[in-house]
Amino acid sequence: EIVMTQTPLSLSVTPGQPASISCESSQSLLHSDGKTYLYWYLQKPGQPPQLLIYEVSNRFSGVPDRFSGSGSGTDFTLKISRVEAEDVGIYYCMQSIQLPPITFGQGTRLEIK
Amino acid sequence: HLQLQESGPGLVKPSETLSLTCSVSGGSISSSFYYWGWVRQPPGKGLEWIGGIYSIGNTYYNPSLKSRVTISVDTSKNQFSLRLTSVTAADTAVYYCARGGAYDYWGQGTLVTVSS
Repeated sequence: EIVMTQTPLSLSVTPGQPASISCESSQSLLHSDGKTYLYWYLQKPGQPPQLLIYEVSNRFSGVPDRFSGSGSGTDFTLKISRVEAEDVGIYYCMQSIQLPPITFGQGTRLEIK
Repeated sequence: HLQLQESGPGLVKPSETLSLTCSVSGGSISSSFYYWGWVRQPPGKGLEWIGGIYSIGNTYYNPSLKSRVTISVDTSKNQFSLRLTSVTAADTAVYYCARGGAYDYWGQGTLVTVSS
């Protein structure tokens, strides 16, 4: 099973300031098809997770461009260029190169100062 | 616009079977490009992948739950279902259905409590 490790587990950010979350996988997520199966989700309070980024760096439909993803192999980062109040919630990374099982990071809680 | 909706009992007794159905609207569950999955989240905890199924019936289960889980699909009803046997309090969670692959569309989730 691939273990996904997120850091930090929580962060408090002033509106308008940047934020960054790291995700490390215990094995490379680069598939032989050339794709890297790393995804980022935001779970707002009382809601299901919503897809932000797929395959490391592709923003899902409707996701603001202040969200960006980067990384390769086993190390990945989600960046928010300017945090807004609506970005509050728990962020998860997920891998699906090895199925089963798909695995998630522990989650990173983002709060607004 | 694809929508998913979970349905099923909100309370299950210990040792009994949890059964949930996910109804898909706004798209066909028969699309061979996607598979359909279940994810759960115990209260106050993180996300756990349960398993998934392709429309042709191929299934994938989390090894930690494999002995107790069955996922099935009914293409005529555009639904897929989850059965989890021999439940305990540890199975109390919000259960989500989602479109697999990128897990880009999710249901709202349904809380299932295991209690006598």
